[in-house]
Amino acid sequence: EIVLTQSPGTLSLSPGERATLSCRASQSVSSSYLAWYQQKPGQAPRLLIYGASSRATGIPDRFSGSGSGTDFTLTISRLEPEDFAVYYCQQYGSSRFGGGTKVEIK
Amino acid sequence: QVQLVESGGGLVKPGGSLRLSCAASGFTFSDYYMSWIRQAPGKGLEWVSYISSSGSTIYYADSVKGRFTISRDNAKNSLYLQMNSLRAEDTAVYYCARNFLKRFLDVWGKGTTVTVSS
Repeated sequence: EIVLTQSPGTLSLSPGERATLSCRASQSVSSSYLAWYQQKPGQAPRLLIYGASSRATGIPDRFSGSGSGTDFTLTISRLEPEDFAVYYCQQYGSSRFGGGTKVEIK
Repeated sequence: QVQLVESGGGLVKPGGSLRLSCAASGFTFSDYYMSWIRQAPGKGLEWVSYISSSGSTIYYADSVKGRFTISRDNAKNSLYLQMNSLRAEDTAVYYCARNFLKRFLDVWGKGTTVTVSS
């Protein structure tokens, strides 16, 4: 099974800054199978990006996804207060999501 | 609006059984693959199982294969997860979710908590 490794584990940033989150797969994956989710404390995850770069319904355009092969990136162009959360990548076919990156207020 | 509501969680002893339910509303349930995902306390997410719209295709994570059974009743707009031979490591919040393009999860319930402990 493909393993997804996310880095960094924690990202400390201020509102208005740019966040760059990484997801690395243990072997090459199809971009069409890669997604990103946001989870806030006590809430269910929310789909942000699917197919590596397509925004889900209602997701602001400050969220963008890119990458191919084994390296994928979620970028938040300008952090809003509501963006501080944990972010997970997911590859269809793997039971385990990535370990998550926590974006916290600096 | 589109909604998923899980129920059936609780405290169970190791080796015991539990049946989770998920009631769907606001969309045509029979058109969608559906899934169960779990999250152990303070941990990440694990895709436990999914079932196709007709029920003919089913997937289980290796960690639950042979112990858990997913099913659905399209007439009742309901998804189920029968969990047998429960272990301490099955302790988690269990989420019901709708599959988007089969591969992703675009609608989630709020979750139901399963605790396996003696």
